[in-house]
Amino acid sequence: QKEVEQNSGPLSVPEGAIASLNCTYSDRGSQSFFWYRQYSGKSPELIMSIYSNGDKEDGRFTAQLNKASQYVSLLIRDSQPSDSATYLCAVTLGGGSNYKLTFGKGTLLTVNP
Amino acid sequence: NAGVMQNPRHLVRRRGQEARLRCSPMKGHSHVYWYRQLPEEGLKFMVYLQKENIIDESGMPKERFSAEFPKEGPSILRIQQVVRGDSAAYFCASSAFTGDTGELFFGEGSRLTVL
Repeated sequence: QKEVEQNSGPLSVPEGAIASLNCTYSDRGSQSFFWYRQYSGKSPELIMSIYSNGDKEDGRFTAQLNKASQYVSLLIRDSQPSDSATYLCAVTLGGGSNYKLTFGKGTLLTVNP
Repeated sequence: NAGVMQNPRHLVRRRGQEARLRCSPMKGHSHVYWYRQLPEEGLKFMVYLQKENIIDESGMPKERFSAEFPKEGPSILRIQQVVRGDSAAYFCASSAFTGDTGELFFGEGSRLTVL
């Protein structure tokens, strides 16, 4: 069974700190990896995608992928209270089934002013 | 993504009633995907539709659930004879191609409560 595991949290960090969110996945065939942010009662919002090993940076966000360890992480630098949300890790097998995202249950992040 | 429109945003049904959830994809998109988010659970893929075709319904419960995407009008997710376990948020996403990048943009969701 394909699974995506995340620490449910809550993860609490002070404003301005680095928040580190982690995710592991079970299917070695996974090809595409995503981080979504979901505010309470709202829809998931794509914030990062990563497809190859290494780091990918976009503003305050950095995604890190290690396929050998089946591990993907998201770093949020200079955390702001507005970053407080649930962060969902998602993976796909790629190719023609890229629409079939497998999500983790999410990590609740709280950034304290 | 504001471009994917779902309605109703909130729906309350009693056990045994029917629920119909609608999704209008972004302009120019002909591929629609439905996901369900149960309380305290991750989002789960349900079904992938193109206009007038169901492409992949591997995530749909075998009974009471159906989906369609007619040539004209929105995609409809229909749940017959609802039970309390159907209470969840149902999200729709759309794409112009077959989710080729896997980057799905979701609508605001329809939250179903079964009393």
